[in-house]
Amino acid sequence: AQTVTQSQPEMSVQEAETVTLSCTYDTSESNYYLFWYKQPPSRQMILVIRQEAYKQQNATENRFSVNFQKAAKSFSLKISDSQLGDTAMYFCAFMKYGNAGNMLTFGGGTRLMVKP
Amino acid sequence: ETGVTQTPRHLVMGMTNKKSLKCEQHLGHNAMYWYKQSAKKPLELMFVYSLEERVENNSVPSRFSPECPNSSHLFLHLHTLQPEDSALYLCASSQELGRSYEQYFGPGTRLTVT
Repeated sequence: AQTVTQSQPEMSVQEAETVTLSCTYDTSESNYYLFWYKQPPSRQMILVIRQEAYKQQNATENRFSVNFQKAAKSFSLKISDSQLGDTAMYFCAFMKYGNAGNMLTFGGGTRLMVKP
Repeated sequence: ETGVTQTPRHLVMGMTNKKSLKCEQHLGHNAMYWYKQSAKKPLELMFVYSLEERVENNSVPSRFSPECPNSSHLFLHLHTLQPEDSALYLCASSQELGRSYEQYFGPGTRLTVT
């Protein structure tokens, strides 16, 4: 079974600054996907960024980028130029490649507060 | 309506009641999920339906009963719940065997069991 750990329950950052959210996972699989999801207060959860484990290049989506360290089983999210709208719960998630139903295993989440 | 919708958004029920949660996806997906989100625990996957067949029942108590009549609709039937079942219940959908593997989530139903 896979486990996903987010060691920072809460974080805060000043607007326009950079913040990094940590995620580690444990698996014996070699092919898998990793995701960061964002859940704003009272709003729907949405996908922020996705990384395929077979790709060495770190994924980037505008101000969001990841640092994927496969050997260390680490998958951190960096948010550059933080904006007030980035205030949300952030969940790291793991999905084994090829499993029926695309099932996700989530971490406990990190609550990020962006301060003006 | 677009995306994934859930009704009702809020539900208060007694321990002896029977109620149902409804989820509908308008994305043409063929896999649907129920998750439980409690305040102090990670999101827990409850049920997965792929191509309208249940592929995962994650040791969920029998007082929760899912139903997937077609690829666009998913229900969660509730009966004789316990106070610890109070939580946010999220529905999600995805395209099985698709390339993106992204799950799209609904807004959730906030359930309170009294």
